[in-house]
Amino acid sequence: GENVEQHPSTLSVQEGDSAVIKCTYSDSASNYFPWYKQELGKGPQLIIDIRSNVGEKKDQRIAVTLNKTAKHFSLHITETQPEDSAVYFCAAKQSPTNFGNEKLTFGTGTRLTIIP
Amino acid sequence: AAGVIQSPRHLIKEKRETATLKCYPIPRHDTVYWYQQGPGQDPQFLISFYEKMQSDKGSIPDRFSAQQFSDYHSELNMSSLELGDSALYFCASSRLTSGRVRDTQYFGPGTRLTVL
Repeated sequence: GENVEQHPSTLSVQEGDSAVIKCTYSDSASNYFPWYKQELGKGPQLIIDIRSNVGEKKDQRIAVTLNKTAKHFSLHITETQPEDSAVYFCAAKQSPTNFGNEKLTFGTGTRLTIIP
Repeated sequence: AAGVIQSPRHLIKEKRETATLKCYPIPRHDTVYWYQQGPGQDPQFLISFYEKMQSDKGSIPDRFSAQQFSDYHSELNMSSLELGDSALYFCASSRLTSGRVRDTQYFGPGTRLTVL
């Protein structure tokens, strides 16, 4: 089955600086890679996702890059703000969806702290 | 925009009791997923349903069962509760897009189950 590794487990950056979180996956059949932000006591919130036919995707201060050959993808947050502090999870799944490959396999999470 | 609704938000049970968690997907979403998240851990996939049929199964104990109803809501039934079942339980939902893809999963706020 799929195995997703995520680094670092904790990350502290000064407000205004950039943050980068990296993930690797094992299953070459994985084609869909979302990133979720989870605040304390809340459910994971999708912040950006990318499919394997795209190498990079950007949405305002957030960008994701994917290297399918090396099986790794990264989240980049620029101009960080205190409200970016949360736990971030990467995930992977096969796409398109068929019976038997519905699940998201998550990384172990990165606790991001923005220092004012 | 409407989100995934879960009830109850908090539940306290004794060992060996039963519990029922409910999930109401985003309107027009036809697929629901259940995940379990232990303290400080990433969400682990339990089971999913598409059009009332089980579409994938993960690490769900035999003591747990789930179903999806005609209105697309889902219930997770947990019996013979153990201390180790204490966790956050998330429901997510998705829908088939025009490209026959059903990747993006939107998570609810979760049910915090405490087993004493």
